[in-house]
Amino acid sequence: DIQMTQSPASLSASVGDRVTITCRASQGISGSLTWYQQKPETAPKSLIYDASSLQGGVPSRFSGSGSGTEFTLTISSLQPEDFATYYCQQYKSYPYTFGPGTKVDIK
Amino acid sequence: EVQLVESGGGLVQPGGSLRLSCAASGFTFSDHYMDWVRQAPGKGLEWVGRIRNKAKSHTTEYAASVKGRFSISRDDSKNSMYLQMNSLKIDDTAVYYCVRGFSGFDSWGQGTLVTVSS
Repeated sequence: DIQMTQSPASLSASVGDRVTITCRASQGISGSLTWYQQKPETAPKSLIYDASSLQGGVPSRFSGSGSGTEFTLTISSLQPEDFATYYCQQYKSYPYTFGPGTKVDIK
Repeated sequence: EVQLVESGGGLVQPGGSLRLSCAASGFTFSDHYMDWVRQAPGKGLEWVGRIRNKAKSHTTEYAASVKGRFSISRDDSKNSMYLQMNSLKIDDTAVYYCVRGFSGFDSWGQGTLVTVSS
């Protein structure tokens, strides 16, 4: 199975900050990676797919990059509605696996 | 607008069975692969399994943790997918999400809670 790790596990940031979350795969997954945002008591929402493609309706302050084993999610200017937990997920091979999540909260 | 609505969750005893349903609308259901993803209380996300479309003969894939106990099926005439869960364990307690499989999971239902407890 492909193991996914994320760093940091949590971070505190202020509105307007630039935030970067890293996701690493235990083996190469090309660009088969999606980023999700989840707020408490709600279903996850897809933000970025194919490592760097923005899902329709997602603000352009979100961006993704990377290929192979290392990926990043960047929020260019954190907004109040962005405080949430972020997960990466690989869909290169079964079983599909998720990272453990990165919780972004208010400083 | 894509809509996925799960139903069928509830309280079940260890060793029991439960069948979840997912009703889809807003897209051509028969064209798409569909998946189940679960989330235990306070924990992360875990992929449960997938059912492919008719073109791929409705073949399935499962996570090791549920293989042999869970079964995914679909009825394209009803725009619905199902998750039959047998031999349930306490560790199966989770919110179960129906998701559309496209470059990851591009659409999610609201989830249905399954609690396995005596």
